[in-house]
Amino acid sequence: EVQLLESGGGLESPGGSLRLSCAAARFTLSSYSMSWVRQAPGKGLEWVSGISDGGSTAYYADSVKGRFTISRDSSKNTVYLQMNSLRAEDTAVYYCARILSGYLDKTPFYYMDVWGKGTTVTVSS
Amino acid sequence: SYELTQPPSVSVSPGQTASITCSGDRLGDKYVYWYQQRPGQSPALVICQDNRRPSGIPERFSGSNSGNTATLTISGTQDMDEADYYCQAWDSNTVVFGGGTKLTVL
Repeated sequence: EVQLLESGGGLESPGGSLRLSCAAARFTLSSYSMSWVRQAPGKGLEWVSGISDGGSTAYYADSVKGRFTISRDSSKNTVYLQMNSLRAEDTAVYYCARILSGYLDKTPFYYMDVWGKGTTVTVSS
Repeated sequence: SYELTQPPSVSVSPGQTASITCSGDRLGDKYVYWYQQRPGQSPALVICQDNRRPSGIPERFSGSNSGNTATLTISGTQDMDEADYYCQAWDSNTVVFGGGTKLTVL
């Protein structure tokens, strides 16, 4: 069974930084686009960022643009989320997800077929 | 930015049919995906490309998408289907989620 395992969460002060990692098991992460999705306590899902399989293209939600950076290391089968200038509203469980994307009947598709268990980020003084 | 709207809650009796809607401008022109999130668990994909069930998803889950509305239908709802359900679409290089619907089986 393919798996994703997130790590790197914790308690950080406002304005601080954290780097989340997502390691893949039983599949080659470099063959897929990957995303980060977060869920604030008691709230719904919010997409944060995505990166193409080759790493050349990255997408970000407006709420994190300029503060967060997604990257990947194929040699370690791992994708990262560098989070800077953290705010209280960044407090959430952060999920890593594998992306399936492309075109079907000339219509683009982009969705998450495998999810990790998540890592918790708390931003508080 | 593109928005998807879901009802906050839906209730259904065991064995009956539950329908959860997801609305967005010309949503029928996009593919819609549905995720189930049971309490304390990660989301899981239950419908892709409007109406396709991934491997392992029971046949009682189905989907449709036309006009401005997509619908997730659960036939013969079971207690284990009680969960939060989220619709998702892809627009302008952005993943968009609906606000989520809490399905209560009572």
